[in-house]
Amino acid sequence: QKEVEQDPGPLSVPEGAIVSLNCTYSNSAFQYFMWYRQYSRKGPELLMYTYSSGNKEDGRFTAQVDKSSKYISLFIRDSQPSDSATYLCAMSAQGAQKLVFGQGTRLTINP
Amino acid sequence: SAVISQKPSRDICQRGTSLTIQCQVDSQVTMMFWYRQQPGQSLTLIATANQGSEATYESGFVIDKFPISRPNLTFSTLTVSNMSPEDSSIYLCSVKQGAHGYTFGSGTRLTVV
Repeated sequence: QKEVEQDPGPLSVPEGAIVSLNCTYSNSAFQYFMWYRQYSRKGPELLMYTYSSGNKEDGRFTAQVDKSSKYISLFIRDSQPSDSATYLCAMSAQGAQKLVFGQGTRLTINP
Repeated sequence: SAVISQKPSRDICQRGTSLTIQCQVDSQVTMMFWYRQQPGQSLTLIATANQGSEATYESGFVIDKFPISRPNLTFSTLTVSNMSPEDSSIYLCSVKQGAHGYTFGSGTRLTVV
């Protein structure tokens, strides 16, 4: 079993839709949870970061962490064509330098 | 945030040869990380490079295959040695920013033929 599981998609939705991206994980030591966005031929860029359980909102993006279920989500509201990218979840344990990534979900927002 | 320049951006190499990838950061950083991103797969950490010490390799990666240099606090290289088609991948360097954020280079897209 992989430490982090993410549905690779691809996921295609119309502009303006609400998008839900999800990851599950098996390591209960993970405390820090991140979402990265990766455009084609670019490196990943940090989109959202959360610590432990709870919600965090940044503009059209909301990150949720449910540690009891070992489940994290990223919601994108009012999706735009510029949101088309691969979204990767990543997580790490307390004191650990190593990030463990999900497989990435390729998202396309259709105008 | 730090800006990372990675070279080359892409290359096509013959099997059995070696390729050295360079990573330059615009600020001094203690730790630099090298990742591999295989087609349709997640990013996998190859090794962590500290200046002035040997790199620390993750399970499944060995120094003979992926030698790393870290001559100063702004630069590192990763060599992919004796390449085979299975080494075709995107290689990314990364540095830690703040408590938990990581910045990535644009990656080196390697194709081995």
